Amino acid sequence: GEDVEQSLFLSVREGDSSVINCTYTDSSSTYLYWYKQEPGAGLQLLTYIFSNMDMKQDQRLTVLLNKKDKHLSLRIADTQTGDSAIYFCAEMRDYKLSFGAGTTVTVRA
Amino acid sequence: EPEVTQTPSHQVTQMGQEVILRCVPISNHLYFYWYRQILGQKVEFLVSFYNNEISEKSEIFDDQFSVERPDGSNFTLKIRSTKLEDSAMYFCASRGPRNEQFFGPGTRLTVL
Repeated sequence: GEDVEQSLFLSVREGDSSVINCTYTDSSSTYLYWYKQEPGAGLQLLTYIFSNMDMKQDQRLTVLLNKKDKHLSLRIADTQTGDSAIYFCAEMRDYKLSFGAGTTVTVRA
Repeated sequence: EPEVTQTPSHQVTQMGQEVILRCVPISNHLYFYWYRQILGQKVEFLVSFYNNEISEKSEIFDDQFSVERPDGSNFTLKIRSTKLEDSAMYFCASRGPRNEQFFGPGTRLTVL
């Protein structure tokens, strides 16, 4: 397909791990990004990875990349209520970003 | 930590009026962007800007839109004659040397 695809909703219990999945489109070398958007706020860059990497870890965040399947995931360890937000996957094509529709993550107590 | 700033946070205008949305990108960045997000839809690329000229623009970026870097810090998006369908969140972004793209908090444009 030509679009960046994400599942739309994820509900997770506080303290559990969240895994947000994304499929992207470009088979060439590219950068892939995860952004967080809280209600009424802008897009906060969480992390990004170059497509020659398999994994990147940054504190509670782990990005896994399966280049063969063009599959990207974001794992949030020990999910907190402050992690409730919309998470966007984005792919860089010709130095501009193409976004997925966003995954709404709801953290329940 | 440096950040992209945008003003105003919310702009309400009448259809047919001109609006100017303002952005201050991160100071050592060279590539600047405008994106928009219509309510409930994906974030869409509008235009990229480098070395005082447009690098690329999308189909959305028609003759009603223009961008400018009037001085060393500001980056503006002008919509000459707003339409109802221009109502959206408009995000400015700047790209760093390692291809990280930082977004501003957005301007919510409401066209009545």
